[in-house]
Amino acid sequence: EAQVTQNPRYLITVTGKKLTVTCSQNMNHEYMSWYRQDPGLGLRQIYYSMNVEVTDKGDVPEGYKVSRKEKRNFPLILESPSPNQTSLYFCASSWAGEGYGYTFGSGTRLTVV
Amino acid sequence: SQQGEEDPQALSIQEGENATMNCSYKTSINNLQWYRQNSGRGLVHLILIRSNEREKHSGRLRVTLDTSKKSSSLLITASRAADTASYFCATDAGTNAGKSTFGDGTTLTVKP
Repeated sequence: EAQVTQNPRYLITVTGKKLTVTCSQNMNHEYMSWYRQDPGLGLRQIYYSMNVEVTDKGDVPEGYKVSRKEKRNFPLILESPSPNQTSLYFCASSWAGEGYGYTFGSGTRLTVV
Repeated sequence: SQQGEEDPQALSIQEGENATMNCSYKTSINNLQWYRQNSGRGLVHLILIRSNEREKHSGRLRVTLDTSKKSSSLLITASRAADTASYFCATDAGTNAGKSTFGDGTTLTVKP
């Protein structure tokens, strides 16, 4: 089944403890992206990647890192999480080029205490 | 602020009625997409309309795009209780390939 898989689905962590949220897609998509969703603020793009070893900042990249060493994986790294990073996170992928919709993962609900 | 802004924020209708939601955006785009999200779950792609298209249909969905007004509308005809969800428009960033912007969404409730 074509899908984007995020792990974990739920995570509670403490301030400052590094964490990684994994994202993997099995559709050979070139493009991958991370979003956070907060009440009243919609989805905001954190980072995106147009292909392997190519990443770029979205609208809210501060406090996050990403890497794209392989086409299928696009992990989101929080080096020193803070409570304002408590949010619902989504990974998405698509074919490169104009005219393709995104396939979203099921989301990761992160709580930083 | 978000590039795409949906209107209304919330919409409640009876089953069988039509639902219309609108999206406005600020800068030039290559395409505009509509997504559905059931509570707390991942977004599902519904339909994409290119900047050179004015109207597109998919099943009970009808999307229009007016680039002169920088707006789009999503019409769901003969709504069903299962259409209850939040609906988001998303725009790419024109020449900045890869950047995408989502609106805040319209929450649709369809009462049986």
